[in-house]
Amino acid sequence: GDSVTQKQGQVTLSEDDFLFINCTYSTTTYPTLLWYVQYLGQGPQLLLKVTTANNKGISRGFEATYDKGTTSFHLQKASVQESDSAVYFCALVANNYAQGLTFGLGTRVSVFP
Amino acid sequence: EAAVTQSPRNKVAVTGGKVTLSCNQTNNHNNMYWYRQDTGHGLRLIHYSYGAGSTEKGDIPDGYKASRPSQENFSLILELATPSQTSVYFCASGEAGTGKDEQYFGPGTRLTVL
Repeated sequence: GDSVTQKQGQVTLSEDDFLFINCTYSTTTYPTLLWYVQYLGQGPQLLLKVTTANNKGISRGFEATYDKGTTSFHLQKASVQESDSAVYFCALVANNYAQGLTFGLGTRVSVFP
Repeated sequence: EAAVTQSPRNKVAVTGGKVTLSCNQTNNHNNMYWYRQDTGHGLRLIHYSYGAGSTEKGDIPDGYKASRPSQENFSLILELATPSQTSVYFCASGEAGTGKDEQYFGPGTRLTVL
């Protein structure tokens, strides 16, 4: 079945640092890959969507890219702010679309001034 | 304006008791989902629904039932709650299969089973 691996459990940064989070995936079809952000006490919010058609997504200063050769997708931001402190999840759209998403375990990003 | 709402936001239950978590969406999405979130496990799918009257088992359905009486409402039912069901539960809605594969989540319900 589909799977997603997100190994970075926690990342600690200072403001203006570069953020990079990596996920690898396994699926039998052309994937649609999503990045969600979850702020403290809230539900996950969609941040970015990447498909094999566009290979890249950009939103709120974040950029998501997809590498079919290494079956990986990345989230990056050039200069983080304290307000970017949150948990970031990668997710894979299931082969059976209506079955929901397969989530990575999440990366807790803490940004200090 | 919140499109997916959940109630209650916090719940304390006793072991063996019945718990019902409710979810309402105003997105007019066909599909709805229940996940639980636990440290070390991320978000795991419990039940989902294609539309009113349908419920399907997700990855971890044991100990849970679901009910979808209408397009807008989707409930998660714990008939006999156990401490292992202490978790944060999220409801989501989506239009899977239309090219809009993303899901929209509610704020979550924190359940503690004593």
